[in-house]
Amino acid sequence: SAVISQKPSRDICQRGTSLTIQCQVDSQVTMMFWYRQQPGQSLTLIATANQGSEATYESGFVIDKFPISRPNLTFSTLTVSNMSPEDSSIYLCSVGTGGNEQFFGPGTRLTVL
Amino acid sequence: GEDVEQSLFLSVREGDSSVINCTYTDSSSTYLYWYKQEPGAGLQLLTYIFSNMDMKQDQRLTVLLNKKDKHLSLRIADTQTGDSAIYFCADSGGYNKLIFGAGTRLAVHP
Repeated sequence: SAVISQKPSRDICQRGTSLTIQCQVDSQVTMMFWYRQQPGQSLTLIATANQGSEATYESGFVIDKFPISRPNLTFSTLTVSNMSPEDSSIYLCSVGTGGNEQFFGPGTRLTVL
Repeated sequence: GEDVEQSLFLSVREGDSSVINCTYTDSSSTYLYWYKQEPGAGLQLLTYIFSNMDMKQDQRLTVLLNKKDKHLSLRIADTQTGDSAIYFCADSGGYNKLIFGAGTRLAVHP
């Protein structure tokens, strides 16, 4: 398995501001993903973070709102831009290690006032 | 598009077996997963099954797959209070993309 850390673990932000969430893995991984879990809901894939190229976004998510970086095989960031209360969610990073398993980080709990 | 459905709530007595059910629509699924989420925590991968298998057992966990009916279940033997959590079924929708069900909240009572 992989050990995944996220920063910050939680934050409270004002509407209109942006927050960058970091995801760090203890080993090089092929695939990195960002998911959103809205309050009381299931997880929805935002995008696949591609190393060295632009992220691949799922339907309903756009780069201007959720810019993603992946400078190397162990690190990625997700920015939530121009936040509104509807962006209050848990944001989770996950990694695929090349096998069939996908492991999740502890999540970042975001509250937007 | 692909869809994964689960019942939302299950209550069991400590020591009994729990069975959490899941149905999915994607006939091309290769792997199906069970994750556990405890309050305030991330997701823990419990187990997964390859689509050409019928059953997989791992200690107290048994996964059954009926590919014809697109039905997946997770059985937890000798359920303990520490098993109280939300259990998510997930389907690999291709390119490692996971499609999650809504989650089943398991409550274990004495």
